[in-house]
Amino acid sequence: KAGVTQTPRYLIKTRGQQVTLSCSPISGHRSVSWYQQTPGQGLQFLFEYFSETQRNKGNFPGRFSGRQFSNSRSEMNVSTLELGDSALYLCASSLTGPDLGPQHFGDGTRLSIL
Amino acid sequence: GENVEQHPSTLSVQEGDSAVIKCTYSDSASNYFPWYKQELGKRPQLIIDIRSNVGEKKDQRIAVTLNKTAKHFSLHITETQPEDSAVYFCAASKSTSYGKLTFGQGTILTVHP
Repeated sequence: KAGVTQTPRYLIKTRGQQVTLSCSPISGHRSVSWYQQTPGQGLQFLFEYFSETQRNKGNFPGRFSGRQFSNSRSEMNVSTLELGDSALYLCASSLTGPDLGPQHFGDGTRLSIL
Repeated sequence: GENVEQHPSTLSVQEGDSAVIKCTYSDSASNYFPWYKQELGKRPQLIIDIRSNVGEKKDQRIAVTLNKTAKHFSLHITETQPEDSAVYFCAASKSTSYGKLTFGQGTILTVHP
């Protein structure tokens, strides 16, 4: 079974631009969660989608948004990029949520803001 | 909201020794506790998890213990090997978290040959 696939693996953007990251979950997994990983803040939860609905959201500004498609693939968008948005963005999929199944992570997209 | 504290931040052991990493959580409603291993430049990989209705779980050289009363859980690695060197993260969530894992800050484990 293929794992969680994230594209692209690397991105370089400049301040003020916007970016879209993609995540394809493990086949059959309907829950997709997104996390930001930085050396200073560690792994922080951004949001979770299930059946095209956002069920939970972390403490990030509205510049961070996401969506999920009918095939469970998910995208996250960051608008008006800031230097502090440089991070590894990880997505994780599970059957319906941590209480019913473990989360499996993709390799992440490393975003660098110049 | 939930807060997870992880200790120590770095741990250095000799090959063959045991390693123990401890985490405490704040939300008594948390009921799911996974541990992830992340090697440099790679994805976090789930190595073991435990639910609140279980006090201990083992998988070969890895075990996790949970003390709900004290709200802490620990990862135990026995007979450590150099390939166990990585960053280990604990996490906690609850049934109403809907996909949200709250992570500890991570422990850098180094196993010296």
